[in-house]
Amino acid sequence: AQTVTQSQPEMSVQEAETVTLSCTYDTSESDYYLFWYKQPPSRQMILVIRQEAYKQQNATENRFSVNFQKAAKSFSLKISDSQLGDAAMYFCAYRRALGGYQKVTFGTGTKLQVIP
Amino acid sequence: GAGVSQTPSNKVTEKGKYVELRCDPISGHTALYWYRQSLGQGPEFLIYFQGTGAADDSGLPNDRFFAVRPEGSVSTLKIQRTERGDSAVYLCASSLGRDTDTQYFGPGTRLTVL
Repeated sequence: AQTVTQSQPEMSVQEAETVTLSCTYDTSESDYYLFWYKQPPSRQMILVIRQEAYKQQNATENRFSVNFQKAAKSFSLKISDSQLGDAAMYFCAYRRALGGYQKVTFGTGTKLQVIP
Repeated sequence: GAGVSQTPSNKVTEKGKYVELRCDPISGHTALYWYRQSLGQGPEFLIYFQGTGAADDSGLPNDRFFAVRPEGSVSTLKIQRTERGDSAVYLCASSLGRDTDTQYFGPGTRLTVL
């Protein structure tokens, strides 16, 4: 079974600084998708960034980027120029890339605090 | 268009009662998912619909939980004989259903069983 581990229950960062959230996962599959979702107090999960395992290039979305290390099964999220609105729970997630297989496995989350 | 909507936003019920939670997916999305998020945890998969049929219900914890999607759009998650351990946020998501598609989540229903 696939598992996703987030070892940092809480993190804090000064506004405008950079922070990195860690994630490791376990799978025997070679093709899969990895995601970072943000969950503010409103509860709605918002997709931050997505990485296809077959792509060697790390995904980036504006201030958000990932460091994908396939051999190490590591998928960290870097947030640059942190803003107050970045404060939320962040979940790392995994999904197999098998036709019709749609189940997403989530980690336990990291609570990010942004200090003004 | 509008995002995924879920009703009610909050539901309080008594142990042993029956509850229904509703999910309206994004228009045109053929795939629909239910997840359960307990306090301090990440969401856990419950069931996935492709159209009207349940393609994967391996996450349903027991036979008290049941979900339907009769017309391939709105879905209802039904919980019989609720227990205090059923208290959680129930999240719904939808996607276009292709392998490459991302799931988009609703705001969830917070269920509290007293």
